[in-house]
This record gives sequence, C-alpha cells and structure tokens, in this order.
Amino acid sequence: QQQVKQSPQSLIVQKGGISIINCAYENTAFDYFPWYQQFPGKGPALLIAIRPDVSEKKEGRFTISFNKSAKQFSLHIMDSQPGDSATYFCAGGISNYKLTFGKGTLLTVNP
Amino acid sequence: NAGVTQTPKFQVLKTGQSMTLQCAQDMNHEYMSWYRQDPGMGLRLIHYSVGAGITDQGEVPNGYNVSRSTTEDFPLRLLSAAPSQTSVYFCASSYSTGTDQPQHFGDGTRLSIL
Repeated sequence: QQQVKQSPQSLIVQKGGISIINCAYENTAFDYFPWYQQFPGKGPALLIAIRPDVSEKKEGRFTISFNKSAKQFSLHIMDSQPGDSATYFCAGGISNYKLTFGKGTLLTVNP
Repeated sequence: NAGVTQTPKFQVLKTGQSMTLQCAQDMNHEYMSWYRQDPGMGLRLIHYSVGAGITDQGEVPNGYNVSRSTTEDFPLRLLSAAPSQTSVYFCASSYSTGTDQPQHFGDGTRLSIL
C-alpha cells in the first residue's frame, strides 16, 4: 500500500506567523499533489495543487514547495490568520479522482 | 448549482442492517469517488467511477458495493453493516483527470453502526 506521510499531526501558530506542513510520498508514479482544507462538519476543499515538474507554486498566502528527488512536498501558509484554523490534508495520485491522502494536520492559529 | 449532494447527513444502523448512501452531482462530472474518513486516518478511497457503467475498487472496498447507472448519481451500498464501518463518508466528483480540475467533495454522511 502506497502511503503519504504527513507531519505534524497538530500545529499551533500565532496570528501573522508562518505555518508549515510537510508530506512525503512513496509512489514515484504520482504526478498530482493537492492540498485540501477541511473545516469541522464540512467536506475537504481543494486549496492548491502542484505537479512534479514544478518546484514551487504560490497562490496568495499559500505556497507548495516540491522536492522530487527527496519525494517530499510542503505547504507554507504565510501571515497565518485565525480563519485558517482547520485540518489540512496532503495527497498524491496519478489522477485527481484516485488520491492517497495523508492523515491530516490540525492547524490552530491563535489571535 | 448544488455541487455534490450527499444524503442522509446522519444515520445510525444496527449491525447486519443494509443501507444505501446517496451521492448526486449536477456538474456533469464523469469521475466520481467514495472515501471514508476515520480519526487519525485521513481519507481512504473505497470505490471510484470513471463514467456511467464503469466502477472500480479503491484501497478499502470490502463490505461496500457501488453502481453508476447515470452520470449524476453514484450510490454506495453497505450490504451488512459492521461496527468497523462506523465512519464519515465523503463523495467527490471531478470533470476530468486533468490536474487543473479540482475534485469537489460533498459535506459527508456520518454513519454510526451499533
């Protein structure tokens, strides 16, 4: 079973700080690496995604850094806000409908 | 535009009962998937479909059955519920396999099996 390992399990950051969540994957056939954000009682929502031919992708305060040789990727949330408090999941897949998810990181941003 | 609609939102079953979790999307998406979410386990793929009449197994298919008779609907059946199937179930859909096409998730069905 191909895994995606995610760390940390939980993260507490002060408002305005940088939140960093890391993931590592095993399956070198994966060519799609999304990050999902989930609020309590809701389904996951796509935050940002990257393909392995790109080392970094930025959308607003959210950046994915990708290291193909190390089989690792990370999510950076700049200027973290209390509204960013949620559970974040990384995932990998060959296609966008057959994803292998990490176990999630509960982010708390204190005001 | 409702997106992905899952019903019911909550359900309690007794061991051995059967039920169907409904999933419908109104975005004309070809690709649909079912995941289960357990505490500390992330989301795990149960079954998926690449179009009407075509389904396949994911990571944890045992105890579940699916069919896809229309593009819009992708029901998940529990034939004989077991306590280990207590979970939150999410249905998702996407327009194509392109990585610029997001997978849209419903808000889940919370299922408890006693």
